[in-house]
Amino acid sequence: QSALTQPASVSGSPGQSITISCTGTNSDVGGYDYVSWYQQHPGKAPKLMIYEVSSRPSGVSNRFSGSKSGNTASLTISGLQAEDEADYYCSSYTSSFVVFGGGTKLTVL
Amino acid sequence: QLQLQESGPGLVQPSETLSLTCTVSGGSISSTSYYWGWIRQPPGKGLEWIGGIYYTGGTYYHPSLRGRVTISIDTSKNQFSLRLRSVTAADTAVYFCVRQLYLLTLYGGDYFDYWGQGTLVTVSS
Repeated sequence: QSALTQPASVSGSPGQSITISCTGTNSDVGGYDYVSWYQQHPGKAPKLMIYEVSSRPSGVSNRFSGSKSGNTASLTISGLQAEDEADYYCSSYTSSFVVFGGGTKLTVL
Repeated sequence: QLQLQESGPGLVQPSETLSLTCTVSGGSISSTSYYWGWIRQPPGKGLEWIGGIYYTGGTYYHPSLRGRVTISIDTSKNQFSLRLRSVTAADTAVYFCVRQLYLLTLYGGDYFDYWGQGTLVTVSS
């Protein structure tokens, strides 16, 4: 029942690309294509950015993309913008329940 | 537009029961496509999934909370509720109610696409 592993923080300059990793096991990330990513600004509810590894909900910028290799999922944000500065969380289905990553704080320099 | 709104006491005594209700508007809680659930976030920390309920009343819970938590649903009021027993300071958190896609081929749910604004519950005497 351990949380998925994310880096505590990442940073990038406007216009650059960054990638946030989310590492689990073959019982969660590696075993199912039900990985999703959420963006959370301070004091706000999280917002769904990516679902089922690489699908984007309607209205989410195509600068956000997701992928998975083995037990590690990744969120890539291209063309960084100031408003992308937020906390990001991954989550995965795992044997009948849901597990979240610890969260990554993205700083736009 | 679907909206979820949490309600309930903001302060709970240690060892008592935390009770919250989520009212859903702009859509039916009796949809066959979704679970309705709860996620919490302790101050300054990450997200923790608590559990979910289907419109039929079927539930699933996080293993670490099973035994203390009950989620119920009232389709006539378009509401669902959370009860967490024997609370301690560690249960102090912002509690979010959420809509989660129901998985047809597995037991449980997929992503969370609608969230309430969250409500802070503090456990303290």
